[in-house]
Amino acid sequence: GNSVTQMEGPVTLSEEAFLTINCTYTATGYPSLFWYVQYPGEGLQLLLKATKADDKGSNKGFEATYRKETTSFHLEKGSVQVSDSAVYFCALRGGQAGTALIFGKGTTLSVSS
Amino acid sequence: GAGVSQSPSNKVTEKGKDVELRCDPISGHTALYWYRQRLGQGLEFLIYFQGNSAPDKSGLPSDRFSAERTGESVSTLTIQRTQQEDSAVYLCASTPGDYLHTDTQYFGPGTRLTVL
Repeated sequence: GNSVTQMEGPVTLSEEAFLTINCTYTATGYPSLFWYVQYPGEGLQLLLKATKADDKGSNKGFEATYRKETTSFHLEKGSVQVSDSAVYFCALRGGQAGTALIFGKGTTLSVSS
Repeated sequence: GAGVSQSPSNKVTEKGKDVELRCDPISGHTALYWYRQRLGQGLEFLIYFQGNSAPDKSGLPSDRFSAERTGESVSTLTIQRTQQEDSAVYLCASTPGDYLHTDTQYFGPGTRLTVL
């Protein structure tokens, strides 16, 4: 079945450091890929998404590219801020109507000034 | 406009009691999902409603779990005879429609359930 594997945290960085959170997936067909973020005390929010191979999703300085050849959707940001501290979830949704999101276990990012 | 709302935000109950969790989706959203997030884990799919179609219950972990939705409005998730392993954050999400698998799911803030 479909599954998502993301790097375990916590990830601890200093402000302005480069961030990579790895995410790989297993899926049949052509899933859509998502990164969701959960800030402290808040609900899950969509950060970015990509719906087909080679698409790049981007938002708030974060980027991720849908790589079908490596079944990956790694999240990157060139210069993190303290306000980026949160839990990040990689997720996929299969290519059929009515399919739920399948999530990775989440990666906690902590950025210090 | 208002987002997805859930109530209560926190619920503490004793083992063996029944609980009801409520979700109000975004107005006009026809699809509604329930997920469970256990401590340190990703989200697990529980159940999915789309309009007036029969719900997809494939994620419900046991027959103690059930959910209802009236039309395209409020949904209630019921857990009977709660167990300690039911302790988790229960999240609800809605989407405008489900004919496109790329639709973004909008999540509520969740209900944190603690079973003592």
